[in-house]
Amino acid sequence: DGGITQSPKYLFRKEGQNVTLSCEQNLNHDAMYWYRQDPGQGLRLIYYSQIVNDFQKGDIAEGYSVSREKKESFPLTVTSAQKNPTAFYLCASKLSGTDTQYFGPGTRLTVL
Amino acid sequence: AQRVTQPEKLLSVFKGAPVELKCNYSYSGSPELFWYVQYSRQRLQLLLRHISRESIKGFTADLNKGETSFHLKKPFAQEEDSAMYYCALSPSGNTGKLIFGQGTTLQVKP
Repeated sequence: DGGITQSPKYLFRKEGQNVTLSCEQNLNHDAMYWYRQDPGQGLRLIYYSQIVNDFQKGDIAEGYSVSREKKESFPLTVTSAQKNPTAFYLCASKLSGTDTQYFGPGTRLTVL
Repeated sequence: AQRVTQPEKLLSVFKGAPVELKCNYSYSGSPELFWYVQYSRQRLQLLLRHISRESIKGFTADLNKGETSFHLKKPFAQEEDSAMYYCALSPSGNTGKLIFGQGTTLQVKP
């Protein structure tokens, strides 16, 4: 699991600002995922990407955007359109043909 | 609708007692089911998957399609089992995406 890194660990944002959360993996995994973790709600899927230059919306994509220009990187942008962005964000990756997702350490975003 | 439900937010037991963390799912097809665990200050990680029918750290989980359940069990809880446990469902279609339950915090008291 040390092959997936997320930065920063803590992020503070003013209302109206866009912020980008980084997710990098050196596991040569094909698929990458972004989840949001809120107390009492478990993890909810924001976006996922199965191959480079392609991604799909998850269950709560509104107010978020992603890109997948490189296999090892899947940054998440939290836009000002996201009404309640304060949360813990988890990135995960998976090798194609397997079923185990490997998670990063997470980024805690707080909107001031 | 695809849904995973973990009815207990917190389960508190004494060391040596049996443990059962409940998980029910709603899915029309044949799902793949998993249990993920997050120990304090550690990353979320896979504990076990139903398809391999394995026992990890003394935990087992049996898929009951009739009751649409995938409860996690351990006969004798240990203090190091204290953690947050998530049940997750992967729909068919090979996207790999997971639908998680709300999570259950297991607290094992000495």
